Amino acid sequence: DAKTTQPNSMESNEEEPVHLPCNHSTISGTDYIHWYRQLPSQGPEYVIHGLTSNVNNRMASLAIAEDRKSSTLILHRATLRDAAVYYCILRVNYGGSQGNLIFGKGTKLSVKP
Amino acid sequence: EPEVTQTPSHQVTQMGQEVILRCVPISNHLYFYWYRQILGQKVEFLVSFYNNEISEKSEIFDDQFSVERPDGSNFTLKIRSTKLEDSAMYFCASSDLMKTGMKQETQYFGPGTRLLVL
Repeated sequence: DAKTTQPNSMESNEEEPVHLPCNHSTISGTDYIHWYRQLPSQGPEYVIHGLTSNVNNRMASLAIAEDRKSSTLILHRATLRDAAVYYCILRVNYGGSQGNLIFGKGTKLSVKP
Repeated sequence: EPEVTQTPSHQVTQMGQEVILRCVPISNHLYFYWYRQILGQKVEFLVSFYNNEISEKSEIFDDQFSVERPDGSNFTLKIRSTKLEDSAMYFCASSDLMKTGMKQETQYFGPGTRLLVL
């Protein structure tokens, strides 16, 4: 799986939008972009994933650059519960066995009241 | 909402002892995983399991480790002779069949077992 680069930490105020960037300049045409997060003392949790088009779900939005070399996870209104480490993970799209997730260090998001 | 459960939540053991960590994956899932996270470090993949056999394993998953699905609901990780460096949080995860042959399934993680080897 290709490498991703994320800032070590970010801060946000409660109820404000948060944009978490991820660079993946070596992404291949078949790599999907996945985001997971890990709340304190919990297991990782799926957030969202996409290939080329922007994606929205109940948790977040994913904005993917036209050249796919970067993406941004958007939390529209941060809450205290969103304080977590956010991981951007690339996953190769090919058939065959299910694959493991390769976690980097992620971005530690702090949310201030 | 269905969830992955793990027992025990905490385990303390002496170096050289065997430990078994237990997981109950989501009931209709067929792919199972173990990951670990040493305190302050990244989440690391250990092993994946499908159709009663290991499908992938990392370099960490050496002969001291084994996995088993002893019945229709449990998935276990056994460490035969624990070492100090095995102290970590161990996470079990499960996922559904691949959809349309693409490796983009969501993995659902349990809350983890914190293992401390003294």
